[in-house]
Amino acid sequence: DAGITQSPRHKVTETGTPVTLRCHQTENHRYMYWYRQDPGHGLRLIHYSYGVKDTDKGEVSDGYSVSRSKTEDFLLTLESATSSQTSVYFCAISDPGGNQPQHFGDGTRLSIL
Amino acid sequence: QKEVEQDPGPLSVPEGAIVSLNCTYSNSAFQYFMWYRQYSRKGPELLMYTYSSGNKEDGRFTAQVDKSSKYISLFIRDSQPSDSATYLCAMDNQGGKLIFGQGTELSVKP
Repeated sequence: DAGITQSPRHKVTETGTPVTLRCHQTENHRYMYWYRQDPGHGLRLIHYSYGVKDTDKGEVSDGYSVSRSKTEDFLLTLESATSSQTSVYFCAISDPGGNQPQHFGDGTRLSIL
Repeated sequence: QKEVEQDPGPLSVPEGAIVSLNCTYSNSAFQYFMWYRQYSRKGPELLMYTYSSGNKEDGRFTAQVDKSSKYISLFIRDSQPSDSATYLCAMDNQGGKLIFGQGTELSVKP
């Protein structure tokens, strides 16, 4: 395993509530990513970070925010969850040297009722 | 039209068969090509990582990239039931943002 821990692994919540997902890495990699995976869409990038306090938007960033105050932690927040955000969320990490590939955690299954 | 197209399957083959998985893409800027394997309720696991056109072999797995045709393939020789998983292709234009195909579900029957 690539030293990536996602928490929680499963969560059920109600529409309109705030939700925060955590990704923790032990590899000291500079780059971290949040994806969502939905049937028929594959994996789509939500936000990514290229260093502490440095983040940028991905393909499907609306309704999501991120924060990275330490190298090892990358948080994804749904400020007011909607049913369309029901998905499986994956965190990935990579070291930017030499275009290294991304390695993934085992995901968080989020259901919004 | 999606930037990366991948037949979702499902694909079912007998044990020992040669499996061919494919993706096509439209963005000629892609230079790095990856194949990931994903078991049920697990994260994607990197299988193959190639740069530009050509072939790369790793055990029973061979990745091919044809940039002129914008087509990549993954071949699995002597397929095993443990190869049953979803296979995802992914591409990168050096910006660090991967674009994924939707994945092909493979089942290898004993």
